[in-house]
Amino acid sequence: KNQVEQSPQSLIILEGKNCTLQCNYTVSPFSNLRWYKQDTGRGPVSLTIMTFSENTKSNGRYTATLDADTKQSSLHITASQLSDSASYICVVSAYSQAGTALIFGKGTTLSVSS
Amino acid sequence: EAQVTQNPRYLITVTGKKLTVTCSQNMNHEYMSWYRQDPGLGLRQIYYSMNVEVTDKGDVPEGYKVSRKEKRNFPLILESPSPNQTSLYFCASSLAVTSDEQFFGPGTRLTVL
Repeated sequence: KNQVEQSPQSLIILEGKNCTLQCNYTVSPFSNLRWYKQDTGRGPVSLTIMTFSENTKSNGRYTATLDADTKQSSLHITASQLSDSASYICVVSAYSQAGTALIFGKGTTLSVSS
Repeated sequence: EAQVTQNPRYLITVTGKKLTVTCSQNMNHEYMSWYRQDPGLGLRQIYYSMNVEVTDKGDVPEGYKVSRKEKRNFPLILESPSPNQTSLYFCASSLAVTSDEQFFGPGTRLTVL
């Protein structure tokens, strides 16, 4: 069964600190993995898209990694800011002749406090 | 401005009263999708459309209908809403499902009494 598991479920950190969010997946056949940021009351916004051959991708203070062998991804946030408080959602795409599927993780809720 | 719009943003209705949530995108995207988001369950796909007149069920399609008569519009129809359809709904679009990011609308908060 295709699944995406995210950890931790929630996280509280102090402003300025770094943090890492985890995403483990059992999705086949794998096509790509996306990290989204969802502010409260808003729609998710894409942070990064990673394909099978990519190991690391950065977007400002956000760095995503992908290990296709262990089927793990992480999202590292450097020097956190109050505006980083949001939910972060990992989404894995699986493609086959039967069609396409997007498998969503349940998200990690990050709270950055001053 | 490139965007996905949804209407209404908030809706309170009663059980059994048919309703439609509209979704429109101005990016000429082929792929559109509807999701519901519930606490502890994350985003779950209701229906998706690969192109005009091509729609398919997602993970939780029961109680919902969709249509794709035009490329830009993808309305979500609840023929007979029930309280368990109280949720936050998102429409999303992408150029193609294979590689591009999805652009999400602002969300519609639906309450069914």
